[in-house]
Amino acid sequence: NAGVMQNPRHLVRRRGQEARLRCSPMKGHSHVYWYRQLPEEGLKFMVYLQKENIIDESGMPKERFSAEFPKEGPSILRIQQVVRGDSAAYFCASSHGGGSEQYFGPGTRLTVT
Amino acid sequence: AQKITQTQPGMFVQEKEAVTLDCTYDTSDQSYGLFWYKQPSSGEMIFLIYQGSYDEQNATEGRYSLNFQKARKSANLVISASQLGDSAMYFCAMRDPGNQFYFGTGTSLTVIP
Repeated sequence: NAGVMQNPRHLVRRRGQEARLRCSPMKGHSHVYWYRQLPEEGLKFMVYLQKENIIDESGMPKERFSAEFPKEGPSILRIQQVVRGDSAAYFCASSHGGGSEQYFGPGTRLTVT
Repeated sequence: AQKITQTQPGMFVQEKEAVTLDCTYDTSDQSYGLFWYKQPSSGEMIFLIYQGSYDEQNATEGRYSLNFQKARKSANLVISASQLGDSAMYFCAMRDPGNQFYFGTGTSLTVIP
């Protein structure tokens, strides 16, 4: 039973480019969460999605960031026009239901040059 | 307001000894969940243990136990018989009724042979 998959594991983008991060939840999980971890800090919640629905995006920056979880395929976190401050590890987690424990993917480390 | 506080940025423990990692939380909700995650140097987040706010017994998972003191709003992680592989960052997290997670800043544990 595969765990949460994230790709790519490492992503390098120049300022102004777009970054697209993918997350495939664990089999049977329909809830996906995205977190950002800046160096030397804990994880900060960004967005919580179910299939085709954004449940809570209170942690998402208002501009340049968007997330989706389509009916088919992985969840996507998209960052447009990246800036150096976007450099961080982005973790995806999934859960079976809204109140159950979250299982994390290995993370995508984004570096903006 | 900070929801989760981990006051120990770094801890050292002798191999085979027990160690306690502190975590206090702040909430006015009656229903919440408390979690501990381990993040080794490879970067992934590994779920360790969960305690529900209504659980009367302290959670245990193998060598991990959670010392839950509800009145003091603390949820300390106890690792017994430390092993070299336990060296990692440890994050305490709280889930609120809206299923949003809040993470502490982490404690770096080093196990000394």
